[in-house]
Amino acid sequence: NAGVTQTPKFRVLKTGQSMTLLCAQDMNHEYMYWYRQDPGMGLRLIHYSVGEGTTAKGEVPDGYNVSRLKKQNFLLGLESAAPSQTSVYFCASSYVPGQGIKPQHFGDGTRLSIL
Amino acid sequence: QQQVKQSPQSLIVQKGGISIINCAYENTAFDYFPWYQQFPGKGPALLIAIRPDVSEKKEGRFTISFNKSAKQFSLHIMDSQPGDSATYFCAATLDTGRRALTFGSGTRLQVQP
Repeated sequence: NAGVTQTPKFRVLKTGQSMTLLCAQDMNHEYMYWYRQDPGMGLRLIHYSVGEGTTAKGEVPDGYNVSRLKKQNFLLGLESAAPSQTSVYFCASSYVPGQGIKPQHFGDGTRLSIL
Repeated sequence: QQQVKQSPQSLIVQKGGISIINCAYENTAFDYFPWYQQFPGKGPALLIAIRPDVSEKKEGRFTISFNKSAKQFSLHIMDSQPGDSATYFCAATLDTGRRALTFGSGTRLQVQP
């Protein structure tokens, strides 16, 4: 029972490099989210998906792209990394239709440093 | 614009004491208010949650108090233990649409033995 798994756990990039963060969930959840966590700011929503093949922007989407080709996976891409994107990234999933509101389950995060 | 404001930023409590964390929200459409607990190196985990039609919810040593008219809610941790030392986030969301969480800025709680 893995829940939400994020890979990689740590990564250091140089400015301008690209990378993809992978999130996988095994709970058959419809909704998936990417948040970033910065000191003193809580978690902020980057992008989200309400089902396979759908994505939408959150509050801080600039510089990021996402894809949800399979229901269980949600990918977050950085096309050209910038130092301002140094953060801890969390993926979360929730909601099975017909079961009412359910808590979001979070992965353990990806710690990303952009030099 | 910060829709959920949380205080204090940090809190030190003696073992056995009461920890109190406060949050205020702006969007009156929010209809679900969870608290998350986060340990270092881990993701947030749901601790307790409340809906606005209830003024209080208690689960073990953890209690949420909710004041709809004041648009405020708080977490009370009774008989605080060193194992409760963590960062606590209040949040709010709508039970429709994207169901994304709007988080407070977090409170770092340290319970001293």
